[in-house]
Amino acid sequence: GENVEQHPSTLSVQEGDSAVIKCTYSDSASNYFPWYKQELGKGPQLIIDIRSNVGEKKDQRIAVTLNKTAKHFSLHITETQPEDSAVYFCAAAGTYKYIFGTGTRLKVLA
Amino acid sequence: EAGVAQSPRYKIIEKRQSVAFWCNPISGHATLYWYQQILGQGPKLLIQFQNNGVVDDSQLPKDRFSAERLKGVDSTLKIQPAKLEDSAVYLCASSSLGVEEQFFGPGTRLTVL
Repeated sequence: GENVEQHPSTLSVQEGDSAVIKCTYSDSASNYFPWYKQELGKGPQLIIDIRSNVGEKKDQRIAVTLNKTAKHFSLHITETQPEDSAVYFCAAAGTYKYIFGTGTRLKVLA
Repeated sequence: EAGVAQSPRYKIIEKRQSVAFWCNPISGHATLYWYQQILGQGPKLLIQFQNNGVVDDSQLPKDRFSAERLKGVDSTLKIQPAKLEDSAVYLCASSSLGVEEQFFGPGTRLTVL
């Protein structure tokens, strides 16, 4: 069946450093790739997304890249801050059905 | 704009009991989703509604789970009887018709003892 692999499962970085989270999807029909941030006790919050006709998208300190040929997409967070600490999920979607990755717990050390 | 509302936020029950969760989506959102999120995993879709019709319930364990969205707005998800492995966070999400972005509620954390 369709699946999304996400790596790493945990990531610790020093404040101010960059963090990169990578996902690989299996369904070639996927055409929409959102990233969610989930803080403890809260629901996932959309932070950035990318569609299959775009290779890269940036929003302030957050960027996402997509390689459709390799079925890879990545989240890049620059100048990390303690408030970036959370669990991040990628998802791959086709016809509005999301398949989520297993999550990355990011810890930003002050 | 108010977000997706869910209640209760927490529920503890014993196995074989029944439980129901409620979701109120963002106003005007035609599509509503229920997800199950087991600790340490990503959310898994249980059922998707468009207005009051079911679009996808292929991963809903229909022998014990049921869901309805009678008037195309609020929705309830029921588990009867509950099993230990149903312990999870149940997330509700909604989206506008024809739009991919889904907005999630805070979830209901269910513990089955």
